[in-house]
Amino acid sequence: RKEVEQDPGPFNVPEGATVAFNCTYSNSASQSFFWYRQDCRKEPKLLMSVYSSGNEDGRFTAQLNRASQYISLLIRDSKLSDSATYLCVVFHSSYKLIFGSGTRLLVRP
Amino acid sequence: DGGITQSPKYLFRKEGQNVTLSCEQNLNHDAMYWYRQDPGQGLRLIYYSQIVNDFQKGDIAEGYSVSREKKESFPLTVTSAQKNPTAFYLCASATGGGYEKLFFGSGTQLSVL
Repeated sequence: RKEVEQDPGPFNVPEGATVAFNCTYSNSASQSFFWYRQDCRKEPKLLMSVYSSGNEDGRFTAQLNRASQYISLLIRDSKLSDSATYLCVVFHSSYKLIFGSGTRLLVRP
Repeated sequence: DGGITQSPKYLFRKEGQNVTLSCEQNLNHDAMYWYRQDPGQGLRLIYYSQIVNDFQKGDIAEGYSVSREKKESFPLTVTSAQKNPTAFYLCASATGGGYEKLFFGSGTQLSVL
């Protein structure tokens, strides 16, 4: 079983749609959680950190469920520019970040 | 401007050749990382370093070597022992201390001639 698992997609949605991604992790000692965005052949860029209380940044909402060991990302009112791959990242005490393989999002006009 | 710089952007390796990828940061970060990304795949950790003159193997260290002689620099050598080196290589740095928000360089695409 992979340490961090994501649905690879692609998720193909129309502009204005709401879309949600989930990510599960296997190590219950994981401490910090992040969503990164990666455009094709570019470096990943931090989208948002994920907190137990949930956090929101504009159209993006991230949630953490420690009991079930998953994190989620909700994108409201999708824009064409949201088309990218979204990487789930988990950090635990061995000072390693574990990346999921990413979920690809395609937003169509 | 503070940041992390990788060079070159594109690199070609001949059979049996060692090549070195450069990674420099001026963010004063303690931790630095090297990742490999294959098409349609996530990032896999090659090596990481939490402090100068110390580094640890990641999940796929075979065929690679690193050094950390200066805080700012963490070069990666892809040796001839790495039989499938074609990939996108990403260097990253972080402040360390248990909350590892990464800052990435723009990556190096390595291909075999």
